[in-house]
Amino acid sequence: QKEVEQDPGPLSVPEGAIVSLNCTYSNSAFQYFMWYRQYSRKGPELLMYTYSSGNKEDGRFTAQVDKSSKYISLFIRDSQPSDSATYLCAMTGTGTASKLTFGTGTRLQVTL
Amino acid sequence: GAVVSQHPSRVICKSGTSVKIECRSLDFQATTMFWYRQFPKKSLMLMATSNEGSKATYEQGVEKDKFLINHASLTLSTLTVTSAHPEDSSFYICSADSGRTPFEQYFGPGTRLTVT
Repeated sequence: QKEVEQDPGPLSVPEGAIVSLNCTYSNSAFQYFMWYRQYSRKGPELLMYTYSSGNKEDGRFTAQVDKSSKYISLFIRDSQPSDSATYLCAMTGTGTASKLTFGTGTRLQVTL
Repeated sequence: GAVVSQHPSRVICKSGTSVKIECRSLDFQATTMFWYRQFPKKSLMLMATSNEGSKATYEQGVEKDKFLINHASLTLSTLTVTSAHPEDSSFYICSADSGRTPFEQYFGPGTRLTVT
């Protein structure tokens, strides 16, 4: 079993839709949960991070963490074609310079 | 925000030659740098962790004699792929950690290596 599971997609939605991206994990030591966006042939860009359980909102993006279920989500409201990218979840423990454990990434396509 | 650069962005080399990739943190000092490899439609695979002035720590299955990592300063790490073969063709990405919090890793734009 992989430490982090993420549906690779692709996920295709019309412009304006609400997108839900999810990851499950098995390591209960993970405390920091991140979402990265990666455009084709580019490096990942940090979108949001959450510490422990709870919700965090930033503009059109909302990140949720449910540690009891070992389940994290990223919601994108009013999706735009520019949101088309691969979204990777990542997790780490509490130490600084901790290794990140990534999901496989979900490829999202927002169509006009 | 913090910026990490990589050079070159793309390189093509012949089988048997060596290739050096540079990773620089442009506006902050990176206590730790990480090197990843990414295959098409796959996630990032951590290859090694490097700290300035010390030997890199390689992940299981990564050949340290083939992928030489040098972290000469707090703003520069290099990855040298020695005696490259076609199976080494991949997208190599570095990240730099400012050391402030576990999630503050900033990624470079990646280097596409093609070995012919």
